[in-house]
Amino acid sequence: QSALTQPASVSGSPGQSITISCTGTSSDVGRYDYVSWYQQHPGKAPKLMIYDVSDRPSGVSNRFSGFKSDNTASLTISGLQAEDEADYYCASYTASATLVFGGGTKVTVL
Amino acid sequence: QVQLQQSGPGLVKPSQTLSLTCAISGDSVSSNTAAWNWIRQSPSRGLEWLGRTYYRSKWHYDYAESVKSRITINADTSQNQFSLQVNSVTPEDSAVYFCARSGYFKEYLQPWGQGTLVTVSS
Repeated sequence: QSALTQPASVSGSPGQSITISCTGTSSDVGRYDYVSWYQQHPGKAPKLMIYDVSDRPSGVSNRFSGFKSDNTASLTISGLQAEDEADYYCASYTASATLVFGGGTKVTVL
Repeated sequence: QVQLQQSGPGLVKPSQTLSLTCAISGDSVSSNTAAWNWIRQSPSRGLEWLGRTYYRSKWHYDYAESVKSRITINADTSQNQFSLQVNSVTPEDSAVYFCARSGYFKEYLQPWGQGTLVTVSS
């Protein structure tokens, strides 16, 4: 199972919106609405930000939103803040009953 | 509130077996609505899901193809914990290992354990 494809880095100024893409195949992202997104700060465990493509766990800011079209999912961060600077990973359930992660995207707040 | 606490050695010799444990509080390892996962992270491989176990009338196991021949995940109901074993380790198995909970038709990972840095070196 190949990793999902994410851009290595995305940057934006405070207050701007950025979008991170996550491309898979018809056996994972395109097949199920089980795409999730995780935020990871250095030295910390990943934190769930979005699940089931577009749902937010309790306590996650509504500045984070998710979307999916065909084999590509995306995470948008609106009103970018300094605290959003982190690594972001997408993940998807697969037809093999496994989970696959993306390679990760480093978000930089300029 | 579910919490996961990891334990295990941080240094393993090549060709030996890596063993880690994840203790569960706030849930049961034999819950019919939970699944218990292991994930690792290294600079070269990024985040890599390794496998999971879950109980639905009997124990089930799903493993990543890349490590299927070398790993075992077990549940210990008496201690309410689950474990990971990776056999015949090489330096490529050096990584931060995490445990995490997912759910029945809830294919996302929350919460996560604190992570354990494991180095494979003689």
